[in-house]
Amino acid sequence: EVQLVESGGGLVQPGGSLRLSCAASGFTFSNYWMSWVRQAPGKGLEWVAHIKQDESEKYYVDSVKGRFTVSRDNAKNSLYLHLNSLRVEDTSIYYCARVPGSRLAIFDIWGQGTTVTVS
Amino acid sequence: EIVMTQSPATLSVSPGERATLSCRASQSVSDKLAWYQQKPGQAPRLLMYDASTRATGIPARFSGSGSGTEFTLTISSLQSEDFAVYYCQHYINWPPFTFGGGTKVEIK
Repeated sequence: EVQLVESGGGLVQPGGSLRLSCAASGFTFSNYWMSWVRQAPGKGLEWVAHIKQDESEKYYVDSVKGRFTVSRDNAKNSLYLHLNSLRVEDTSIYYCARVPGSRLAIFDIWGQGTTVTVS
Repeated sequence: EIVMTQSPATLSVSPGERATLSCRASQSVSDKLAWYQQKPGQAPRLLMYDASTRATGIPARFSGSGSGTEFTLTISSLQSEDFAVYYCQHYINWPPFTFGGGTKVEIK
């Protein structure tokens, strides 16, 4: 079964840090771009970060540039998001999502999400 | 940045009726448009991509149309499991990837 499982969320004070993880299974993780998408309480979806298979390309939404870092470990089938200098407005459910390709940049598989609360 | 606008914000529909959801892009996205469904407490699920191609396992009652700046998601006969929030997303010139604000389909 193709699956993504996030972990690492929690309650953190403003200015604090967290590392989110996403464990992939059921597919060849190293073949796919991956993304993080977040959803603030009661709000819509916001793309956060995007990483190429070999980490040679990384992209971020403007609001997190310089504060968040996306990385991956293909040997461990894992995706990470390092969150630094957290703000109250970063409070969200964070989803990792699989992306089939650079031209087909859709989110075809999603994890169940991990909740980050900054307060 | 391409802005995606969905309408209406809420759509009240009776089971068995047709639902038509709209998504507008601030500039042309060709057919690089995806739709997602999200039920309460769940992650989003991919419904449609390339504007009109159903994702794996999506029932035929879901159809997508449009190109350029105007897109439509149609649910031909609403089932109880279809009441959810629906989002559109473009993927033509990224980053960033942007989503619409969502349309909530509720029971009338």
